Amino acid sequence: AQSVTQLGSHVSVSEGALVLLRCNYSSSVPPYLFWYVQYPNQGLQLLLKYTSAATLVKGINGFEAEFKKSETSFHLTKPSAHMSDAAEYFCAVSDFNFGNEKLTFGTGTRLTIIP
Amino acid sequence: GAGVSQSPSNKVTEKGKDVELRCDPISGHTALYWYRQSLGQGLEFLIYFQGNSAPDKSGLPSDRFSAERTGGSVSTLTIQRTQQEDSAVYLCASSLRQGFGYTFGSGTRLTVV
Repeated sequence: AQSVTQLGSHVSVSEGALVLLRCNYSSSVPPYLFWYVQYPNQGLQLLLKYTSAATLVKGINGFEAEFKKSETSFHLTKPSAHMSDAAEYFCAVSDFNFGNEKLTFGTGTRLTIIP
Repeated sequence: GAGVSQSPSNKVTEKGKDVELRCDPISGHTALYWYRQSLGQGLEFLIYFQGNSAPDKSGLPSDRFSAERTGGSVSTLTIQRTQQEDSAVYLCASSLRQGFGYTFGSGTRLTVV
């Protein structure tokens, strides 16, 4: 069974500082991996995805993530935090099976930006 | 439409009543998913549709939960005899193709009192 672990339910960074949100996965097959962002009272928005092409994936809003098979990690980074980045972030792994892209989500990391 | 539309956005119901939640996916998206988001359980998969059929219903918590999809488009999630533990945000998502990621709707917040 697939699983995802997000270290740190809450992360605070200063505006302009590096953002690093951690995600480790467990999968018996080569995974598809995703990061989603959720703003208050909204649905989830896809930030970026890894689907076995380039290991460094660039997404929207200046975010990127690197797939490291040896570490079973897919950490999300952004060089310089902006106030608008405050939100909850979810890492997910796809249990991809005959067209069924059921996602298993991590428990989320709430990112706070300090002015 | 331009996005995934869910209605109602908020629903308060009395314990024991039935509720219907609606999802209108992006036109042309053949895959449709329902998830539930609650404080205690996080984001949980409920059901997957490909066209009008549901090959994976493994996440439905009990037989009080059912869902259908018609015309390869609109889907309805029905909860019968609602219980307080059903209170959550129900999210619908659709996808054009595997590996593309989903587009989520804004969800229906269900409160059972």
